[in-house]
Amino acid sequence: AQSVTQLDSQVPVFEEAPVELRCNYSSSVSVYLFWYVQYPNQGLQLLLKYLSGSTLVKGINGFEAEFNKSQTSFHLRKPSVHISDTAEYFCAAPNSGGYQKVTFGTGTKLQVIP
Amino acid sequence: DTEVTQTPKHLVMGMTNKKSLKCEQHMGHRAMYWYKQKAKKPPELMFVYSYEKLSINESVPSRFSPECPNSSLLNLHLHALQPEDSALYLCASSQAPGQGYGYTFGSGTRLTVV
Repeated sequence: AQSVTQLDSQVPVFEEAPVELRCNYSSSVSVYLFWYVQYPNQGLQLLLKYLSGSTLVKGINGFEAEFNKSQTSFHLRKPSVHISDTAEYFCAAPNSGGYQKVTFGTGTKLQVIP
Repeated sequence: DTEVTQTPKHLVMGMTNKKSLKCEQHMGHRAMYWYKQKAKKPPELMFVYSYEKLSINESVPSRFSPECPNSSLLNLHLHALQPEDSALYLCASSQAPGQGYGYTFGSGTRLTVV
């Protein structure tokens, strides 16, 4: 079954600095990967997704992610963060044991420091 | 309309009460989901409805009873809950059941069982 691992539970970064949130996946089948953001007291919002094709995926709010098959990674990046980016970020992937199931990583809290 | 609407936003109920959570979408999505999210944890799948039929029940206790009256509506009926059932309940939808479709989430119902 496919799973995702987010190595960092919390990432503090100064405003206007770049950030990378790490996600590694394990899978022996076709790979679909997603990043979601959850602002405080809200539901999750899809940031971007990788299905196939170009390994660099651009999403909303200036975020992008790069699919790296050799390193089994799908790290999320933003060149310059804003206070409003403070949120919980989840990497996710369908569970190959059930195509309708999505497994979420444990989440990374991005804390932007003014 | 690109939203998933959940009502109520907050709910406090006693252990002997019966209540229902409601979820509505008008995007023509044919898959709908219920997730449970405890504080500082990722969402956990509870139920999947595919073309208005229950396709996945993640061994959820019978005190949670889902219902899909039509393609736009999803309900979660609650009865005889326990304090440990207190959580954020998230509804989501996707264009169709399948690995490549991202989810649109509602903002959730924060449930407190007393």
